[in-house]
Amino acid sequence: EAGVAQSPRYKIIEKRQSVAFWCNPISGHATLYWYQQILGQGPKLLIQFQNNGVVDDSQLPKDRFSAERLKGVDSTLKIQPAKLEDSAVYLCASSLGPSIHFGNGTRLTVT
Amino acid sequence: QQQVKQSPQSLIVQKGGISIINCAYENTAFDYFPWYQQFPGKGPALLIAIRPDVSEKKEGRFTISFNKSAKQFSLHIMDSQPGDSATYFCAARRLLRDDKIIFGKGTRLHILP
Repeated sequence: EAGVAQSPRYKIIEKRQSVAFWCNPISGHATLYWYQQILGQGPKLLIQFQNNGVVDDSQLPKDRFSAERLKGVDSTLKIQPAKLEDSAVYLCASSLGPSIHFGNGTRLTVT
Repeated sequence: QQQVKQSPQSLIVQKGGISIINCAYENTAFDYFPWYQQFPGKGPALLIAIRPDVSEKKEGRFTISFNKSAKQFSLHIMDSQPGDSATYFCAARRLLRDDKIIFGKGTRLHILP
């Protein structure tokens, strides 16, 4: 079974620039998550999709972050404009049932 | 916000020893308690999980002990090996309600060779 695929693996941008991350979940997984993981902390949920509908985006900074999951499969997360405090690893995950499977993340550095 | 409190923040154990990581949660609506293992540069991977209707679950060298009345659960790693050196996260999830999951802040475990 292929895992959760994410790209790019690394991204360095200047503040106020925009950036986009891509995620391809495990085939058949209806639930897709985007997490932000700051160094030394646990993953923090940004947004959760069930198929192509949003289940929870209560912690998504909607003034700068946006996410979509077209056709209930792939998803993109965008930050515009980026701030220094957005430097983190952005993890995509998917699940079908109790097990959540994470990708290896995109490490974003905002300078 | 509901929290899952994890301790210790870091832990050093001799090879062959027992590593113990503790977590406490606040909301009784949680119905699934997983532990994740994360190596540098990788995403978290599910290690072992327990539901609140059992007090202990063992898989190989990994055991979860669960105390429902105290709202606490712990991970025990027996015969700890250098390859177990990683960051461990506990989590609490509401599978039957709104599928919300909350992670602890993590424990960095280092096993001395």
